[in-house]
Amino acid sequence: EVQVVESGGGLVQPGGSLRLSCTASGFIFGAYGMSWVRQVPGKGLEWVSSISGSGGTTFYADSVKGRFSISRANPTNTLYLVMNSLRAEDTALYYCAKGGRQQPSDSWGQGTLVTVSS
Amino acid sequence: EIVLTQSPGTLSLSPGERATLSCRASQNIVGSYLAWYQQKRGQAPRLLIFVASYRATGVPDRFTGSGSGTDFTLTISRLEPEDFAVYYCQQYGSSPFTFGPGTKVDI
Repeated sequence: EVQVVESGGGLVQPGGSLRLSCTASGFIFGAYGMSWVRQVPGKGLEWVSSISGSGGTTFYADSVKGRFSISRANPTNTLYLVMNSLRAEDTALYYCAKGGRQQPSDSWGQGTLVTVSS
Repeated sequence: EIVLTQSPGTLSLSPGERATLSCRASQNIVGSYLAWYQQKRGQAPRLLIFVASYRATGVPDRFTGSGSGTDFTLTISRLEPEDFAVYYCQQYGSSPFTFGPGTKVDI
């Protein structure tokens, strides 16, 4: 069974940093792109970032470019999102999803909540 | 950036009725890399349709995706009680891999 489980969310002050992790199982991790998608409670989905299966190609939304960094560790089936210079508008539930460029997001975690507030 | 527009914003229907949801792109989606997702309250999104018209594993055949280029449609032939949810389209062919704003299907 395919599973992805996010962790690392929490409360952080504006300007602070946070690292999200996503642990995957049930599929050949390095064969698939992976993505982060966020959602403000009660609002729509916003794509944040994706990475190729090898980790060699990354993609970012303009709203996070230069502040967020996506990476992956294929030997440990783990996806990361390092978030710097956090703003109040980054407050959201962050989902990890299997899939990326030209691959639909066919498995999603339950999300980890990031709250940016003083 | 490809902007996706979904209509209507809300669709009020009854069980057994047919639902037709539209997703329009600001540019041609090459390869028809267009997906539809269903999200119920308090749950993660679930993939329904990929490459515009292919059902994901386990998706009932009352869900049909169609379209190409800039105009795409998700049709639910006969609404079941569990189908009342929010539906999003997403293009995943060219970055940024944008989502539409969603269509809420409610009773």
